[in-house]
Order: sequence, then structure tokens, then C-alpha cells
Amino acid sequence: DQQVKQNSPSLSVQEGRISILNCDYTNSMFDYFLWYKKYPAEGPTFLISISSIKDKNEDGRFTVFLNKSAKHLSLHIVPSQPGDSAVYFCAASVAQKLVFGQGTRLTINP
Amino acid sequence: SAVISQKPSRDICQRGTSLTIQCQVDSQVTMMFWYRQQPGQSLTLIATANQGSEATYESGFVIDKFPISRPNLTFSTLTVSNMSPEDSSIYLCSVFAGTSAYEQYFGPGTRLTVT
Repeated sequence: DQQVKQNSPSLSVQEGRISILNCDYTNSMFDYFLWYKKYPAEGPTFLISISSIKDKNEDGRFTVFLNKSAKHLSLHIVPSQPGDSAVYFCAASVAQKLVFGQGTRLTINP
Repeated sequence: SAVISQKPSRDICQRGTSLTIQCQVDSQVTMMFWYRQQPGQSLTLIATANQGSEATYESGFVIDKFPISRPNLTFSTLTVSNMSPEDSSIYLCSVFAGTSAYEQYFGPGTRLTVT
């Protein structure tokens, strides 16, 4: 049972444009959501998070939106830069344990 | 944030042997987590290790296969026992750090290949 799903395995975006990564979840007990970026041969790097009681959190070029009724969250990156090319994982927290999605490989094209 | 190191960074092991992975954190933490990322898959939590108590394992993971030690507040080890090719994965440790109680920070991972 996949509680956290990222349905797009890959996404290609032109440099300077907006990147939108999506994530769906099924467990209404999740109380916190996080996004991680992962480069090859490195551990995941924390990007941004959002509490389940909020609907938006912004940090520089990164904004996370949460739609609880739809059990959906998204990560917006504006403007996209070549260094943003990586695999992005969304994760959801319940009882301080993280459940991860499958990841989306983002490629930023010059 | 926390600085987390893992040893070894990678290893190639033979079927039937065991490997112990070390995780060192630059600050004292109560909880440490061990994850596995199988090829092309997501990260899956193996167990939670608290200092001074037995590790808590997630469904599908057992202590005999993945014994964990937590001798102090900055260090933990995960052993992958009696390895098979299906154990080929990246193994990562993580700790809570950052501004909220929910943000986990990860070590660089140990890439294990079992032949």
C-alpha cells in the first residue's frame, strides 16, 4: 500500500521557467510534509516543509502548497536553475516517522 | 542542521556474509533512523534507534537480519546479516535537526552491492 505517491517519474523544464512537482497521499493522519532533493551518491537534502495545518510555505525560490481536501501537495521552483536537476522526494510524517514517495527526476534544460 | 557521516561509503560483499555500517553525528541526538533505498525505489524506514533502549523495527524488518546498536547519543551501527543479492541497496541514517521537530537530515549513505 503506497501511502505517498509521486506519479511522474521524470520532469523536464527549461531554465528560468517554473518547475512543479506533485505528490499525493492517502493517510489523513500525516501531520507534516517535507520535500527532499537527492543528487547521485549523496544522501537526501532537506528543502522545505509544511505543517498539515497550513496551505502554503515559501522559502526563496521554493514554495510548497498543500491541499488537504484533495490529499495533494506540490513543490514549485521559480525560476528553475541548472543546479536544480536532481531527484525530488516528497515525504509525509506520522508519529515522527517519514514515508517517502518514489521520487521525480527533474531535469533543467539550458 | 547536523553533520552526519557514514562508513563505509560503499562496499561489495559476498552472499552469506555480514556488513556493519557506522553512522556518526556531530551533535547529541535522541533518535536515529535507518533507511534503505533499493535500486530505483523510494526510501523505506528500517528501524528507529534510541540510546539506551532496543531499536524499534518497521514491518518487514527483523532484528536478526538488521541488528542495530546505539551505544551513545552521537553514534549508531546497522549490521546487514547473512546477505543476499536482494540486500543490495543504499543504506542511510538520519536524525532530527533543523528548526522543526519533523525535519530529518540524512547521512551520505552506504552503497552496498552483494554478489
